[in-house]
Amino acid sequence: EIVLTQSPGTLSLSPGERATVSCRASQGINSRHLAWYQQKSGQAPRLLIYGASSRATGIPDRFSGSGSGTDFTLTISRLEPEDFAVYYCHQCCGSPTWPFGQGTKVEI
Amino acid sequence: QVQLQQSGPGLVEPSQTLSLTCVISGDNISSKTAAWHWIRQSPSRGLEWLGRTFYRSKWYKEYTESVRSRITISPDTSKNQFSLQLNSVTPEDTAVYFCARDNLGLSIPLDYWGQGSLVTVSS
Repeated sequence: EIVLTQSPGTLSLSPGERATVSCRASQGINSRHLAWYQQKSGQAPRLLIYGASSRATGIPDRFSGSGSGTDFTLTISRLEPEDFAVYYCHQCCGSPTWPFGQGTKVEI
Repeated sequence: QVQLQQSGPGLVEPSQTLSLTCVISGDNISSKTAAWHWIRQSPSRGLEWLGRTFYRSKWYKEYTESVRSRITISPDTSKNQFSLQLNSVTPEDTAVYFCARDNLGLSIPLDYWGQGSLVTVSS
């Protein structure tokens, strides 16, 4: 069973700063199967990135994803006020459990 | 625009069956590129994928191991909806439950989600 571990647990930043969230898999995964989601309080997660680096429809280009094998990264180049939320990595397919990371809170 | 609308009881007694429904608009449950999922979220377990159903000339169902003996996800083509049944619930099944769609036929994972349903297991 693949486990996804995110770091850090909390990121304290200011608007305009750069945010970097890491996701490490317990074993190598196909980068086509790695996605990132944003979740705000009381809402469902929203797909940001799929295939490790492709932005979903309507996602601003300040969001980018990279990585391969066991190490993946979500970068927000310049934080906007609406970007303060919790971010999750996720492995879709190729696994019997479709695991999520534990989440990284980006706070002001 | 795809929309998923969830409904179902918010309170279930221990040992009983949790039942939720997800109505699909803007897509067809029998789509040959999409699949239909249930996911739950709790403070103790985080986001946990429960299972999915999809149609590829016949219906398929996949479930996560931790609930496989207790879960059923069923499509209803006449109503363009799908449902979740989780039997023999305990307080550990208390969570917000989400339905969602993947479009992996186009290599896109969970792109549309329902609004979430808080289900509390308590007597």
